[in-house]
Amino acid sequence: EVQLLELGGGLVKPGGSLRLSCAASGLSLSDYSMSWVRQAPGKGLEWVSSIDSGSSHIFYAVSVKGRFTISRDNAKNSLYLHMDSLRAEDTAVYFCASSRRIYCSGTTCLPMEFDHWGQGTLVTFSS
Amino acid sequence: SYVLTQPPSVSVAPGQTARITCGGDNVGSKSVHWYQQKPGQAPVLVVYGDSDRPSGVPVRFSGSNSANTATLTISRVEAGDEADYYCQVWDSSSDHQAVFGGGTKLTVL
Repeated sequence: EVQLLELGGGLVKPGGSLRLSCAASGLSLSDYSMSWVRQAPGKGLEWVSSIDSGSSHIFYAVSVKGRFTISRDNAKNSLYLHMDSLRAEDTAVYFCASSRRIYCSGTTCLPMEFDHWGQGTLVTFSS
Repeated sequence: SYVLTQPPSVSVAPGQTARITCGGDNVGSKSVHWYQQKPGQAPVLVVYGDSDRPSGVPVRFSGSNSANTATLTISRVEAGDEADYYCQVWDSSSDHQAVFGGGTKLTVL
């Protein structure tokens, strides 16, 4: 059974930093593209970032580009999200998600659907 | 940036058919995926590639995509289908971005 477990959420101050991790079991992470998707309280889903299996193709939402960094360690079957310059609007539950299928056009490969999701970790702000 | 538009809510009686739409400019040229999310839970993939079902998803769930509208159809709706549903595509028109629709709350009357 595939399981994704997010860790690292918590209370942060505006302008602060936080590192989220996602531990995978039941799958070999090296076979999957991975992504972070967030959900603000009472709101819809918002894609944050994606990384392909070899860390060659990395994509960010406009809202986080330049502040967040996605990375992975296939040997540890883990995905990470380093978040800097955090803002109140970054408050959300952060989910990691896997994608077995990819779509390649030219030299760019994108993950397709998000086939497995973790339960999420909450990032909130203190004043 | 690319926008996907979903109705905020759809209501249907048990045993009836629910149709949830996802509108976007020429969305028929993109591959649309659908997710179900129940309160307090993570999203679950229910349809991918416009109309394929992952293993374990009931055949009552189906999808279609043409022109400017993709549709998730749930036949013989059950109380357990009550949830939020989101459509999703990748937009490569400028920078590569994954885009979600705003979500539709399905209420089973």
